[in-house]
Amino acid sequence: GDSVTQMEGPVTLSEEAFLTINCTYTATGYPSLFWYVQYPGEGLQLLLKATKADDKGSNKGFEATYRKETTSFHLEKGSVQVSDSAVYFCALTPYSSASKIIFGSGTRLSIRP
Amino acid sequence: ETGVTQSPTHLIKTRGQQVTLRCSSQSGHNTVSWYQQALGQGPQFIFQYYREEENGRGNFPPRFSGLQFPNYSSELNVNALELDDSALYLCASSQDRARNSYEQYFGPGTRLTVT
Repeated sequence: GDSVTQMEGPVTLSEEAFLTINCTYTATGYPSLFWYVQYPGEGLQLLLKATKADDKGSNKGFEATYRKETTSFHLEKGSVQVSDSAVYFCALTPYSSASKIIFGSGTRLSIRP
Repeated sequence: ETGVTQSPTHLIKTRGQQVTLRCSSQSGHNTVSWYQQALGQGPQFIFQYYREEENGRGNFPPRFSGLQFPNYSSELNVNALELDDSALYLCASSQDRARNSYEQYFGPGTRLTVT
């Protein structure tokens, strides 16, 4: 079945460091891909999305490109801030079933001042 | 615009009991989905309701059931609670079940503890 695999955390970086969180997926057809973020004490928020191959999603300085050839959707940010500390989830919506979102297990990111 | 709200915030139940969790969808949204998020894991899809009918279900047993009301609010019911049901239960609403309206907006969740 469809699934998402993302790098395990926790990931700890210093402020202004470059961030990459790896995500790969297994799916039939053409899923839509997402990154969600969960800040401490808050609900899940959509961070960015891409709906077709080679699309780049971007928001708040974060970017991810839909790579069908490598079935990947890695999250990147050039310069992280303390406020970026959160849990990040890679996710997909299967082409065959737009009703559900399949999430990865999450990567906890901590940024040191 | 009012976001997705859930009640209660926290709940403690005993094994074997039944529980009802509630969700109010975001204004203008007619579709509600429920997810279970165990500690340290990603959310797992339970089911979705569209216009008061179930529209997709994940790998959860029948003791997980739901309802959607005419105002698009929703309930999640869990019977015969087990210890493994302890989790954060998330509700998400979206504008339409159609493929081009996939964005789901999540509530803050209900933390259920089963002892």
